[in-house]
Amino acid sequence: GAVVSQHPSWVICKSGTSVKIECRSLDFQATTMFWYRQFPKQSLMLMATSNEGSKATYEQGVEKDKFLINHASLTLSTLTVTSAHPEDSSFYICSAHHPNQPQHFGDGTRLSIL
Amino acid sequence: DAKTTQPPSMDCAEGRAANLPCNHSTISGNEYVYWYRQIHSQGPQYIIHGLKNNETNEMASLIITEDRKSSTLILPHATLRDTAVYYCIVRVPNSGGYQKVTFGTGTKLQVIP
Repeated sequence: GAVVSQHPSWVICKSGTSVKIECRSLDFQATTMFWYRQFPKQSLMLMATSNEGSKATYEQGVEKDKFLINHASLTLSTLTVTSAHPEDSSFYICSAHHPNQPQHFGDGTRLSIL
Repeated sequence: DAKTTQPPSMDCAEGRAANLPCNHSTISGNEYVYWYRQIHSQGPQYIIHGLKNNETNEMASLIITEDRKSSTLILPHATLRDTAVYYCIVRVPNSGGYQKVTFGTGTKLQVIP
């Protein structure tokens, strides 16, 4: 079935640096991908909807200049956390919409900002 | 998307059937019921979905009441690897280009040896 790959699976970096996370649909084209964030012991919270060839749609309260989303091709969306700080430490998960299947999720990226 | 209500936690003995309930009393006629689970530190995994008929696959069975206001996910023989948070979601499939899945708090299932 459809598979979504997310990279890296974990990253540790210093405060103030920018971190890029990739989300790829491996055997299908995804016009729409989604980015979620999950804090410990909480549910997934949708951050934004990534649309191929157009600007992302951000959920209320999510800073678009902080979390840059690029969906340049039908198989790749990237999330860049700019000038990351400790409060940005979280588990980031992407998902991709397949036209005829339920949404599929990546395995997540654990981001730790020191 | 309709709101769902699930118990926050459940225990199940290994080898026994796990029955996870979900209430979705405001579900509309074109909304399906989807179940996902999230094992610790992993992304959500799709389990099963249905509209009004009961469904079964290699992972689980889904029982939807006749009025569609509630459903039950059944794991017939729970194993320790089934310990996870289970999410019940109702939504319209292929609803234009806006296909987001909104997660509630889910049910944390603990399978006990």
